[in-house]
Amino acid sequence: DVKVTQSSRYLVKRTGEKVFLECVQDMDHENMFWYRQDPGLGLRLIYFSYDVKMKEKGDIPEGYSVSREKKERFSLILESASTNQTSMYLCASRDPGQGNTGELFFGEGSRLTVL
Amino acid sequence: RKEVEQDPGPFNVPEGATVAFNCTYSNSASQSFFWYRQDCRKEPKLLMSVYSSGNEDGRFTAQLNRASQYISLLIRDSKLSDSATYLCVVISSGSARQLTFGSGTQLTVLP
Repeated sequence: DVKVTQSSRYLVKRTGEKVFLECVQDMDHENMFWYRQDPGLGLRLIYFSYDVKMKEKGDIPEGYSVSREKKERFSLILESASTNQTSMYLCASRDPGQGNTGELFFGEGSRLTVL
Repeated sequence: RKEVEQDPGPFNVPEGATVAFNCTYSNSASQSFFWYRQDCRKEPKLLMSVYSSGNEDGRFTAQLNRASQYISLLIRDSKLSDSATYLCVVISSGSARQLTFGSGTQLTVLP
């Protein structure tokens, strides 16, 4: 079974702090994604990565950056956390070789609260 | 207009009922369609793909209507364990960038 592991299930941070959210997948998937999920807004794509050292902005990249130095790891960085970044963050991976039928595998999510 | 729209519900139905959700999409070039299920405080998981010819998996039937640009999910003989949020997902091209989620429809099956 594919396993996508997010480093922290729950975090509480203060405004202005730097926040690292890490995600590791064990199935050698090339594509990895970071979403945030908010009530009534669904999942919104922050950043995604086609492959190692490759990244592309999603729909809401402002205030975030990412790092993909190794294929299995995709990190989301909040340089200076703000209260409007309080959310559930979901990491996912996908095998692009399956084309449009490729399933997304999600981690369990990281619930971030910024005070 | 959102790219992918769903009725957020909640849908509250008795056990054994049949319930159907629709999901509309705005991009006529959309190519692939999926239903995901998300349990409370859990991550989304793939429920089923939606094929042009429609497909069935046990009590679940998914259909695609390209002319009207919507997909549907029908659940027959609802079980308590079907209670969840159902997300539709649309892919508009071969690029992973074009994968769009609906905001989800909440279903509660009541005893």
